[in-house]
Amino acid sequence: NAGVTQTPKFRILKIGQSMTLQCTQDMNHNYMYWYRQDPGMGLKLIYYSVGAGITDKGEVPNGYNVSRSTTEDFPLRLELAAPSQTSVYFCASSRTSGRGDTQYFGPGTRLTVL
Amino acid sequence: EDKVVQSPLSLVVHEGDTVTLNCSYEVTNFRSLLWYKQEKKAPTFLFMLTSSGIEKKSGRLSSILDKKELFSILNITATQTGDSAIYLCAVSPNTGNQFYFGTGTSLTVIP
Repeated sequence: NAGVTQTPKFRILKIGQSMTLQCTQDMNHNYMYWYRQDPGMGLKLIYYSVGAGITDKGEVPNGYNVSRSTTEDFPLRLELAAPSQTSVYFCASSRTSGRGDTQYFGPGTRLTVL
Repeated sequence: EDKVVQSPLSLVVHEGDTVTLNCSYEVTNFRSLLWYKQEKKAPTFLFMLTSSGIEKKSGRLSSILDKKELFSILNITATQTGDSAIYLCAVSPNTGNQFYFGTGTSLTVIP
């Protein structure tokens, strides 16, 4: 059981470039999340999705876009990369957002914008 | 604004010591509090707490929630070098679908 997978593991971008961070889960979870984690900081929610076709902004959505065309995939798009987006990005999923559930995290993508 | 505060920010102890990590929160319509351990990569789940006063235990780790005083503690007894990690606390409110994370406590266990 693969759980939550993310690609790529590492990436260096130049300012103004674009890229898509991929996230896939094979647990048939309805809820998926994108977080960023800056050094010495906690996780900040960028976007989340409660099911295919439904997405919503989190705490720090500026500079990012998402889509959720299938239950399994939740890609995160950076259109015009900026140095402030240098961070580690984690994708997570959960069955529901209800009491009994927790989030399962992917291994993370380390992004550097120069 | 909802928020989660963890203390201390960092901690260095010797093997065999007992540590207590704190998480306080201000969240509207609290639903659950979760503890995660983060080593070099992604956070891994430790405990979920929803009710006050009921201790969750797993080996040398235990955690308890106080919904009246709005905090939780994570205890680790007889610490080992493998316990070195960042411990994250997250809170989920009843409304919305978000988890709010604290900044974490960095624990270093010295042999």
